[in-house]
Amino acid sequence: EDKVVQSPLSLVVHEGDTVTLNCSYEVTNFRSLLWYKQEKKAPTFLFMLTSSGIEKKSGRLSSILDKKELFSILNITATQTGDSAIYLCAVGAGGTSYGKLTFGQGTILTVHP
Amino acid sequence: ETGVTQTPRHLVMGMTNKKSLKCEQHLGHNAMYWYKQSAKKPLELMFVYNFKEQTENNSVPSRFSPECPNSSHLFLHLHTLQPEDSALYLCASSQNNGQPYTFGSGTRLTVV
Repeated sequence: EDKVVQSPLSLVVHEGDTVTLNCSYEVTNFRSLLWYKQEKKAPTFLFMLTSSGIEKKSGRLSSILDKKELFSILNITATQTGDSAIYLCAVGAGGTSYGKLTFGQGTILTVHP
Repeated sequence: ETGVTQTPRHLVMGMTNKKSLKCEQHLGHNAMYWYKQSAKKPLELMFVYNFKEQTENNSVPSRFSPECPNSSHLFLHLHTLQPEDSALYLCASSQNNGQPYTFGSGTRLTVV
């Protein structure tokens, strides 16, 4: 059974801090790893990673995948209160599971002013 | 709006009621999904439709009945639900070529 584990489950920081969110996985026939941000209800897409060691970057957010050690990290630098959200990690598989995503529990990030 | 619209936003129903959740996507995607999000649990996949054909039923109880009349619309029919079915129900769509999902804003369901 495919499994995705995120840590920490929750995190409280102050504006300006840098945070690192972790995602480890066990998936048969790995295809991709995705990060989503969920503020109110609809998760919004951040990154999709398919290759090891290649950093993806968008403003203050960046992410990298290690396919040998089966994990990914999401970094947020100079955090702002608007970064407060649930961050979801998901893994997509191939074969008969093509198109399905398996999600982790999420990390609840709270950024205080 | 994300391009995936879910209605209603909130629903309160008794255990003997019958109701339906609706999802509509305007993105030209060919795959649609229902996920359940309960507090402190990962999103749970319920159903997958590709080109309006059901390709996945993740051991979901029969009190949840999906319907996909075309590639743009997806329904979840609910009947005789239990209080533990209270959750956020999220619809998503994608091009079935490995591209990321686009999620709707969800329906917050409370079963009393």
